[in-house]
Amino acid sequence: DAGVTQSPTHLIKTRGQHVTLRCSPISGHKSVSWYQQVLGQGPQFIFQYYEKEERGRGNFPDRFSARQFPNYSSELNVNALLLGDSALYLCASSYRRAETQYFGPGTRLLVL
Amino acid sequence: EDQVTQSPEALRLQEGESSSLNCSYTVSGLRGLFWYRQDPGKGPEFLFTLYSAGEEKEKERLKATLTKKESFLHITAPKPEDSATYLCAVQGGTSGTYKYIFGTGTRLKVLA
Repeated sequence: DAGVTQSPTHLIKTRGQHVTLRCSPISGHKSVSWYQQVLGQGPQFIFQYYEKEERGRGNFPDRFSARQFPNYSSELNVNALLLGDSALYLCASSYRRAETQYFGPGTRLLVL
Repeated sequence: EDQVTQSPEALRLQEGESSSLNCSYTVSGLRGLFWYRQDPGKGPEFLFTLYSAGEEKEKERLKATLTKKESFLHITAPKPEDSATYLCAVQGGTSGTYKYIFGTGTRLKVLA
């Protein structure tokens, strides 16, 4: 079975631009979470979606938003990019909200 | 404040030299404690989920244990391929909203 997939794998943007990252969960999983991981740090929780509704939010500014589609795939949007948004963005899926999460390979975002 | 602290930050072992990694946590409404392995530039790979104090899980050379305040990841007779960053995370939350909190990880290097 395919694991969590993310696209694109790498992305370069300039300050002030907007970016959209995509995630497809493991088949049958209904919950998707997004994380930001800066080099040398653990992943920081951004959002959790379950059944197309936001069910958890971390301490990130309103420039970050997400949504989940009827097929349970998800998008993370970041507006007005800052240099500090450069990071590995990870998507994780689980069957339900309070269960083990399985991670995708991540999208490496570089903001210049 | 919810938080996860991992120690040591880095660990160098000789092949076959057993050791333990520590994860201490403070979280309201603990739903589970999770261990992941992460190789450079990749997404975290799931290892174990622990739900209650006293629980233990084993997989090959790894064994995870849980108390009310901390978890240990014991590595028995490690091999060079066990070199990676080991991440601990807790899931907590109340009133139907959940969040994952990760530690900063322990970077393990096993020398042949």
